[in-house]
Amino acid sequence: GAVVSQHPSRVICKSGTSVKIECRSLDFQATTMFWYRQFPKQSLMLMATSNEGSKATYEQGVEKDKFLINHASLTLSTLTVTSAHPEDSSFYICSAPGLVRDIQYFGAGTRLSVL
Amino acid sequence: GDSVTQMEGPVTLSEEAFLTINCTYTATGYPSLFWYVQYPGEGLQLLLKATKADDKGSNKGFEATYRKETTSFHLEKGSVQVSDSAVYFCALVDTGRRALTFGSGTRLQVQP
Repeated sequence: GAVVSQHPSRVICKSGTSVKIECRSLDFQATTMFWYRQFPKQSLMLMATSNEGSKATYEQGVEKDKFLINHASLTLSTLTVTSAHPEDSSFYICSAPGLVRDIQYFGAGTRLSVL
Repeated sequence: GDSVTQMEGPVTLSEEAFLTINCTYTATGYPSLFWYVQYPGEGLQLLLKATKADDKGSNKGFEATYRKETTSFHLEKGSVQVSDSAVYFCALVDTGRRALTFGSGTRLQVQP
């Protein structure tokens, strides 16, 4: 079946640094990818929709300048958390829609800890 | 807006016990409903889905029925195994959207 690879699985960084998370569709093309964020014991919340070759669409309340999304190819989307702060510590997950309607394939997630 | 509410965990069961994880939803359109499962260290995987009222999704012994009258999609399994230990997410996709709306997840722990 379709596989989405997300890297890194875990990152610890100092406050003020930037962190890049990659999401790759390994055996299919994804013109759209979704980025979610999950706080402990809470739902996965959609942050943004990444569109290949065009600007990402951000959900209300998500800072565009804080969470930079680049979808430069049909198999790769990146999320960069700029000038990370402790409140950005969370679990970030990407997904890509498959060919079957309403089916999505998920990466394993990235746990970000900002010290 | 859309929302999904599922029971808090962790749920701890003995092997071969009956499992129910409750899920209710609110949506403005006619959503498709899903259960996703996340095993340790892995990404979310689709477990089952239902696209319209009264549909029953089933997979690996798990079942859930789309109940429009009660806006519910409870997950059930008659006899759980240790290998079913994971986090289970109820989710929906509303009409005209592609992104999922998730519940908070329920951790299931099955003991031998």
